[in-house]
Amino acid sequence: EAAVTQSPRNKVTVTGGNVTLSCRQTNSHNYMYWYRQDTGHGLRLIHYSYGAGNLQIGDVPDGYKATRTTQEDFFLLLELASPSQTSLYFCASSDPGTGNNQAPLFGEGTRLSVL
Amino acid sequence: SQWGEENLQALSIQEGEDVTMNCSYKTYTTVVHWYRQDSGRGPALIILIRSNEREKRSGRLRATLDTSSQSSSLSITAAQCEDTAVYFCATDAGLGGNEKITFGAGTKLTIKP
Repeated sequence: EAAVTQSPRNKVTVTGGNVTLSCRQTNSHNYMYWYRQDTGHGLRLIHYSYGAGNLQIGDVPDGYKATRTTQEDFFLLLELASPSQTSLYFCASSDPGTGNNQAPLFGEGTRLSVL
Repeated sequence: SQWGEENLQALSIQEGEDVTMNCSYKTYTTVVHWYRQDSGRGPALIILIRSNEREKRSGRLRATLDTSSQSSSLSITAAQCEDTAVYFCATDAGLGGNEKITFGAGTKLTIKP
């Protein structure tokens, strides 16, 4: 069954802390995405990738780094976390082309609090 | 309409009524995705309509796409309480195979019994 798994599901850190959010997909999808979702708002694209070693800048990249180490694994790095980065983070994967694989399949999210 | 809006919109209707949610997008897209998000869960695709389609149906859902006005709609017929969720539209740039997928702010739909 197609799956996107995020870890951890919840994370609390302090201002200035170093945080890594992990995402693994077992769908053999080429594209992977990191979004953030804030209360009352939609999903905003942080970074995305179309393959191992590739990184594309999204719409809200400031303060975030990302790395795609393999086709399966995509990491989001916050090297100096700030309270403004308190949010719900979603990872997704997709495979452009025909059919519903074109639409991102989402994980269950990671809730990050920066105190 | 949810695109270009910074804040989530809200709709509340009675069970059994029909409802339509609108989405206007600003850039070229090859497809519009409609997602629903249940509380505490990740978004899930419910219907996808391509730029060469004007209408797509799936059960009680109907999506339309008008590329000339860059707008899409999602209608739910005879809404049920379990349709309560947040609904998002999303578009992809699809330029040269670069699949940047961006979302509207969403519509929070509440179905009252």
